[in-house]
Amino acid sequence: SQQGEEDPQALSIQEGENATMNCSYKTSINNLQWYRQNSGRGLVHLILIRSNEREKHSGRLRVTLDTSKKSSSLLITASRAADTASYFCALDNYGQNFVFGPGTRLSVLP
Amino acid sequence: KAGVTQTPRYLIKTRGQQVTLSCSPISGHRSVSWYQQTPGQGLQFLFEYFSETQRNKGNFPGRFSGRQFSNSRSEMNVSTLELGDSALYLCASSPGTGANNYGYTFGSGTRLTVV
Repeated sequence: SQQGEEDPQALSIQEGENATMNCSYKTSINNLQWYRQNSGRGLVHLILIRSNEREKHSGRLRVTLDTSKKSSSLLITASRAADTASYFCALDNYGQNFVFGPGTRLSVLP
Repeated sequence: KAGVTQTPRYLIKTRGQQVTLSCSPISGHRSVSWYQQTPGQGLQFLFEYFSETQRNKGNFPGRFSGRQFSNSRSEMNVSTLELGDSALYLCASSPGTGANNYGYTFGSGTRLTVV
């Protein structure tokens, strides 16, 4: 069954540095989405990349998708303390279901 | 515009009781999905409703049920509560069915504690 796996599980960086987290999956997808969750709160939709797209940008976020390797990466540039959160990839399996990965906990130290 | 509203924010219940959680989606959104989030299992899909019909259901026991009203508001109910039902329950809305090509907008969640 479809699963999203993210790595690393946790990441700690200094303010101003770039943060990269990865998501791998098993079966073909319609699109892949990234979400952010601040501690104990709801998730916030960051970016959606379709299976026929290779790269998308939104502000300081850059997402890539490699369907041949079944993997995606989320890059946050010039990180800030406010970026401290958990980040989840979510896989849309052509409407059959929508699966979240276990998440990457990002800590940005001032 | 108003976001997704979940009520109540916090809830403490005793084992064996039942609970009803409410979710009001963004105006105009017709799809509502529910997720359970726990430290051990992460985000697990409960069910999705679209136009008052259950479209998808996750792998949860029959104690978990839901419904959607004509105004797209949704409720989920958990009967005969168990300690393991303690979790953050998240509601997400989307304009169309599921998160296909739209992405979800999530509420802040209901934190359920079963004692």
